[in-house]
Amino acid sequence: AQSVTQPDIHITVSEGASLELRCNYSYGATPYLFWYVQSPGQGLQLLLKYFSGDTLVQGIKGFEAEFKRSQSSFNLRKPSVHWSDAAEYFCAVAPGGSYIPTFGRGTSLIVHP
Amino acid sequence: NAGVTQTPKFQVLKTGQSMTLQCAQDMNHEYMSWYRQDPGMGLRLIHYSVGAGITDQGEVPNGYNVSRSTTEDFPLRLLSAAPSQTSVYFCASSPLKGSYNEQFFGPGTRLTVL
Repeated sequence: AQSVTQPDIHITVSEGASLELRCNYSYGATPYLFWYVQSPGQGLQLLLKYFSGDTLVQGIKGFEAEFKRSQSSFNLRKPSVHWSDAAEYFCAVAPGGSYIPTFGRGTSLIVHP
Repeated sequence: NAGVTQTPKFQVLKTGQSMTLQCAQDMNHEYMSWYRQDPGMGLRLIHYSVGAGITDQGEVPNGYNVSRSTTEDFPLRLLSAAPSQTSVYFCASSPLKGSYNEQFFGPGTRLTVL
């Protein structure tokens, strides 16, 4: 069975600083990979996804993520964080052909002015 | 399109009471699911469905029932509420083809069981 690890429970950054949120997965083949964002009191919204091809994927709100097969990682990055990026971020993995994703436990992003 | 809608947004129950959380989607998605979100636990799958008349258990199904009589609706029933079911519940949907498993989430229902 696949699993997802988000090692950081909380991340604090200053507004304007760069951001990297870590995600590691465990799965034999190349899975489908996702990052979702949850603003306070809201449901989850898809930021970006990776299925195949270019390992650097672009998403909404200026986010990008890089798939590294050798490290089983799919880290989320943003070059300059805005106060409105404060939210909970979830990494998810789904084996190819499966419709049931597994979610990580989430990373809470705190942005200082 | 309204997307995925959930009602109610907030609910307080007493131990032993039953209730139904409603979920509806207008995107004609075959796959629907229910998650609960607890602090530090992420999202845990309760039940899911791949079409009308087809449901299956997820990771934490005990104490919950589901049915899927139409493509649009996927209600979650709490049979006899317990304080351990205090949580935020999310419904999600996804087309089985073409989306590579991207999930569309509702806004959630915050449930408190006293």
